Amino acid sequence: AQSVAQPEDQVNVAEGNPLTVKCTYSVSGNPYLFWYVQYPNRGLQFLLKYITGDNLVKGSYGFEAEFNKSQTSFHLKKPSALVSDSALYFCAVRDPRYGQNFVFGPGTRLSVLP
Amino acid sequence: NAGVTQTPKFQVLKTGQSMTLQCAQDMNHEYMSWYRQDPGMGLRLIHYSVGAGITDQGEVPNGYNVSRSTTEDFPLRLLSAAPSQTSVYFCASRRTGTHEQYFGPGTRLTVT
Repeated sequence: AQSVAQPEDQVNVAEGNPLTVKCTYSVSGNPYLFWYVQYPNRGLQFLLKYITGDNLVKGSYGFEAEFNKSQTSFHLKKPSALVSDSALYFCAVRDPRYGQNFVFGPGTRLSVLP
Repeated sequence: NAGVTQTPKFQVLKTGQSMTLQCAQDMNHEYMSWYRQDPGMGLRLIHYSVGAGITDQGEVPNGYNVSRSTTEDFPLRLLSAAPSQTSVYFCASRRTGTHEQYFGPGTRLTVT
């Protein structure tokens, strides 16, 4: 079965510093990996995806993610954090068991401190 | 486009009551899905549909029914609400052959 893990419930970072939100995955076959962000009282918004190709994927709002096959990781990164980046971040993998819908990780709450 | 819309935004039910959560999308997407979000558990798939007239179960389908009579609408029915169904419910849609799902704003349901 496909699964993703997000080992940190909470990440705190100072504004202007680089941020990393971690995700590891377990899949059979090639992974289709995604990052979504959820702002308070809102639905999820797509940030970026890895399907194939370059291991460094660029997405919305200055975020990027690095796919590492040997470490089965797909960490989300941003060179310089903004207070407005504070939100709940979800890593997800597509699961062929459910019509290619997503299996989500538990989420990581990012707080960017001014 | 309005995207994915959900009604109501909030709902309180008593144990044993039934209700329908509405979801509609105006993007002509074939795929639609229902997820529930619980603290520390991420989102879990309840039911999904790959097109009008076709539905299937996800990871946590018990206690929920769905139907898909049109491309636009995908209602979720709770037949007999239980406190364990207290959650935030999200509807999502996507176009066949694409990967990105579009999510609605959610319905916060409390069952007492």
